[in-house]
Amino acid sequence: DAGVTQSPTHLIKTRGQQVTLRCSPKSGHDTVSWYQQALGQGPQFIFQYYEEEERQRGNFPDRFSGHQFPNYSSELNVNALLLGDSALYLCASSFGGSAYNEQFFGPGTRLTVL
Amino acid sequence: GDSVTQMEGPVTLSEEAFLTINCTYTATGYPSLFWYVQYPGEGLQLLLKATKADDKGSNKGFEATYRKETTSFHLEKGSVQVSDSAVYFCALASNQAGTALIFGKGTTLSVSS
Repeated sequence: DAGVTQSPTHLIKTRGQQVTLRCSPKSGHDTVSWYQQALGQGPQFIFQYYEEEERQRGNFPDRFSGHQFPNYSSELNVNALLLGDSALYLCASSFGGSAYNEQFFGPGTRLTVL
Repeated sequence: GDSVTQMEGPVTLSEEAFLTINCTYTATGYPSLFWYVQYPGEGLQLLLKATKADDKGSNKGFEATYRKETTSFHLEKGSVQVSDSAVYFCALASNQAGTALIFGKGTTLSVSS
């Protein structure tokens, strides 16, 4: 079992650009959640996808959007990048969508915005 | 809204020392509580959890007890190893938070031999 995988590992963009991050959930999982972890901070919930729909959204602007595919993999898109978007983006997968179920995290994508 | 507060780090200990990392929470109702660990260059791993008051979660020598009267979930280990060096996050799940986990800011533990 490969666990949760994310790509790319690192990414450097400039302000105003757009970025797409990808996540493949652990085998048997149907739910993907995305978190932003700024340096020295805990992860902050961006949104969750279940059955190909955004189920819940955290306090993030509409520049952050996502998608879930029929195979349960997911993408996170960020438009009009700001310097403050520099962070580690974590994907977590689980089964059934409840936060009470164990969430398995990927290694993250480190995004740097210059 | 619901929140988690952890003690500030870094925590620096010698091998075999006793570890305590404090965590308190604010939540309505009856949240579930978690400790996650993040090793350098890796994602978060669930270390232990507790789902109701007075439950004790334990794993790999780490323990934490869900104390509703003090709204706390402190992480303890009797004898730390160099391999325990990592960042530790306290987190909660609650009905108010919905499908999101609410994390504390994390505490960096550094253990030297």
